[in-house]
Order: sequence, then C-alpha cells, then structure tokens
Amino acid sequence: SSELTQDPAVSVALGQTVRITCQGDSLRSYYASWYQQKPGQAPVLVIYGKNNRPSGIPDRFSGSSSGNTASLTITGAQAEDEADYYCNSRDSSGNHPFGGGTKLTVL
Amino acid sequence: EVQLVESGGGLVQPGRSLRLSCAASGFTFDDYAMHWVRQAPGKGLEWVSGISWNSGSIGYADSVKGRFTISRDNAKNSLYLQMNSLRAEDTALYYCAKDIGSGVITLYYFDYWGQGTLVTVSS
Repeated sequence: SSELTQDPAVSVALGQTVRITCQGDSLRSYYASWYQQKPGQAPVLVIYGKNNRPSGIPDRFSGSSSGNTASLTITGAQAEDEADYYCNSRDSSGNHPFGGGTKLTVL
Repeated sequence: EVQLVESGGGLVQPGRSLRLSCAASGFTFDDYAMHWVRQAPGKGLEWVSGISWNSGSIGYADSVKGRFTISRDNAKNSLYLQMNSLRAEDTALYYCAKDIGSGVITLYYFDYWGQGTLVTVSS
C-alpha cells in the first residue's frame, strides 16, 4: 500500500516535547521526509533521510523510524512551530505519497 | 538565493488543457531533478510528477498518468507541466519544487518550493 497515515491534530505545551507520527507499509523499506507548512505559505523541508536537517532548520527537529512508523520529534516546541506537518515517502511502484497531514497546536 | 516562480494557472473548463511553467534561478538548474506537487484547496499535499536532471527519468502519480506531461528546458532554466483532459479534481495550487539530490541522484526530497500557481477546473 502507498498510503501514509497521520493523526489529524496534535497539541503540545510551549517548551515541551511532541512526537508526530506517520504510518505506512512503505516505511519498512524507505525513509520518510517531513514538511512544515504554515497558513498561506509553501511547505518547508525540515527532516529528510535517516535524520537530516536542511540548513536553517533548528536542531529541536529530529526524525526517527521503527518498523512501519516514522516520527518527527520537536524537543522544546516553540510558538513558531505551530503549523501543519506532512510526511512523505515512496513506494515500490514509483509513487511518492504524502500523509494526510497533522495540525500541530502549541498551547 | 534559490527562486522558483510558477505561472500559467487559471480557470479552465473540464476536458481542456493548460500548461504550467516554473522559472528557476539561484542554482545550477541542470544539476537537479525537479518536481510538481499540488494542494487542493483546504487539503493536503500530493506529489504529481518528477523529472531527472537530464529528462532521462520521469515519473507520475497514478492520478495524472496519461493526462499530464512533465518536461524541462535546461537552456532556459525552466520546468513545465502540460495538463490535458483536466478534471474538477485537478483543481489545486500547483507547486514547483527542487530535489535536494544533485546530478544523477534523484532523492525525492523537496528542499525549495515556489509559491504556487492556482489551477481551477470548472464549467
């Protein structure tokens, strides 16, 4: 299956740690990447590969994977991290599906 | 500074065609694979198509296969998406995105995005 499943919404208290998950059979074989999207803006790549951050992404963002689940962890969430987060991967048929997205609220 | 500027969107009737363009600057365009990703209003992201640096490898999402054609002109630093037989469900903001991998490596990680061009398919 090429589907990636994410929780629709997650909340975290300011300064606390939050994990956003992405589930799918393809994640047993391929890494996920993660994108942050704020309202009215284009997505921003925050994690790719095993656990790589593009230049300019704070080190409070990290990625991990186990079995069919990939996770994006924000350690010490900030108000500016409030956004939609999408995972993306690939499947064996050459598709590159995104998850449905998780809306992160920072309380 | 990397810049990706999409154009060509608009209102089109079902069954008609539209061609999107993406003008790239600020990086060596012919070193990188490029992609189109779309987002329907209020919905999530959907990868549409990708093309390798030399056009030797091309892929499409199942939802557009046979209707859309991706191409690039490295001399003009431009990416294109020819969309035929458009349907209402193709209505979306279409983003042009750069692949993070260089040369022969297409990694399908999208490190720079344009601001998108809106395509509305409606009668």
